[in-house]
Amino acid sequence: KAGVTQTPRYLIKTRGQQVTLSCSPISGHRSVSWYQQTPGQGLQFLFEYFSETQRNKGNFPGRFSGRQFSNSRSEMNVSTLELGDSALYLCASSSDPTGLLYEQYFGPGTRLTVT
Amino acid sequence: AQSVAQPEDQVNVAEGNPLTVKCTYSVSGNPYLFWYVQYPNRGLQFLLKYITGDNLVKGSYGFEAEFNKSQTSFHLKKPSALVSDSALYFCAVRPWADSNYQLIWGAGTKLIIKP
Repeated sequence: KAGVTQTPRYLIKTRGQQVTLSCSPISGHRSVSWYQQTPGQGLQFLFEYFSETQRNKGNFPGRFSGRQFSNSRSEMNVSTLELGDSALYLCASSSDPTGLLYEQYFGPGTRLTVT
Repeated sequence: AQSVAQPEDQVNVAEGNPLTVKCTYSVSGNPYLFWYVQYPNRGLQFLLKYITGDNLVKGSYGFEAEFNKSQTSFHLKKPSALVSDSALYFCAVRPWADSNYQLIWGAGTKLIIKP
């Protein structure tokens, strides 16, 4: 099976702009989670979608939003970018319908730089 | 508050020696415990997990971890380190009682294996 894919891999944006990141999960996986990884804060959970519904949300401002499509592909949007949004954004998929037991499979990430 | 601690930012081990990467947790209820590894410029990869049963869990690449309930620890171990084991290691916990299904992540430990 193909792994989790994320596009684009690298992105440079200007403060105030918005950005959309895309994630295609492993075929058959209906759970998609998003994380922000920075050197200072480590791995921070953004949100999780399962069957097009947001099942869980981390402590990020409303500028961060996401959605999931019927084919389980997911997008993440960040509006009004700030310098502090520069990070590696990771997407992970799982086959676990409960969200409790199974491991997650991560994509390579999108490196976002805000200038 | 529920938390995961990886007390060492970095662990240095000579090739061929045994290695241990430490993880302790503080959660309510029975925990589900995971270890992931991140190689440079790549997403995270699942190594192993403890859900229930035998306290000693074996995973990928010769790694194993022992669940110790009394010490609330889940240390990652390998009998003989390889240079290729050099990477960033993350411990994660999902509290069984947490209806939010959210993983709690440690800050990560950089493992350096010297030839």
